Amino acid sequence: AQKITQTQPGMFVQEKEAVTLDCTYDTSDPSYGLFWYKQPSSGEMIFLIYQGSYDQQNATEGRYSLNFQKARKSANLVISASQLGDSAMYFCAMRDTGGFKTIFGAGTRLFVKA
Amino acid sequence: EPEVTQTPSHQVTQMGQEVILRCVPISNHLYFYWYRQILGQKVEFLVSFYNNEISEKSEIFDDQFSVERPDGSNFTLKIRSTKLEDSAMYFCASSGGDSLVASGRSSREQYFGPGTRLTVT
Repeated sequence: AQKITQTQPGMFVQEKEAVTLDCTYDTSDPSYGLFWYKQPSSGEMIFLIYQGSYDQQNATEGRYSLNFQKARKSANLVISASQLGDSAMYFCAMRDTGGFKTIFGAGTRLFVKA
Repeated sequence: EPEVTQTPSHQVTQMGQEVILRCVPISNHLYFYWYRQILGQKVEFLVSFYNNEISEKSEIFDDQFSVERPDGSNFTLKIRSTKLEDSAMYFCASSGGDSLVASGRSSREQYFGPGTRLTVT
């Protein structure tokens, strides 16, 4: 069965510093995709970044990068140069290729300090 | 930029009543989804829908729930005989294609709506 684990319920980071949010996953499917979403206090789900299991390079999207270590089954999100607006809940998610169901981790709440 | 919309933003209903949550997916998308997030908890998949039928559903999606695409634009989630534990944020999502391709393209990304907060009293 698929599983996503986010072990950090809350994280603090100083403005302008980088922060890493951890995510490990488990699946028996050799082909899958990994996602990160941001959920601000307003509640909407904002897609941040995607990594395919066969991608040779780590995904990057602006200040977001995904540190993908396939052998360790980890897909950590790195946010560089944190901004106050980055304060939010962050969810790691996964979907098997050929499937429709996206499963989510429990989330990490990030607090950016001025 | 096209977006998924949901109405209402907040619905309050009494236990035992039926509610219909409405979504307008992105116009050229073909796959539609409902997710649920109980307050303070993780987002849970409910159901996916394609070509006027359910393509996958979770164990949460029992006979109390149903989905429908009544016309070319709307996608609805009906909850019959609501229970207190149905109180949650319900997200609709849509995507342009079916599942992911191993090449790593994110064209299959599911775009989420802003959610409907359902409160059952």
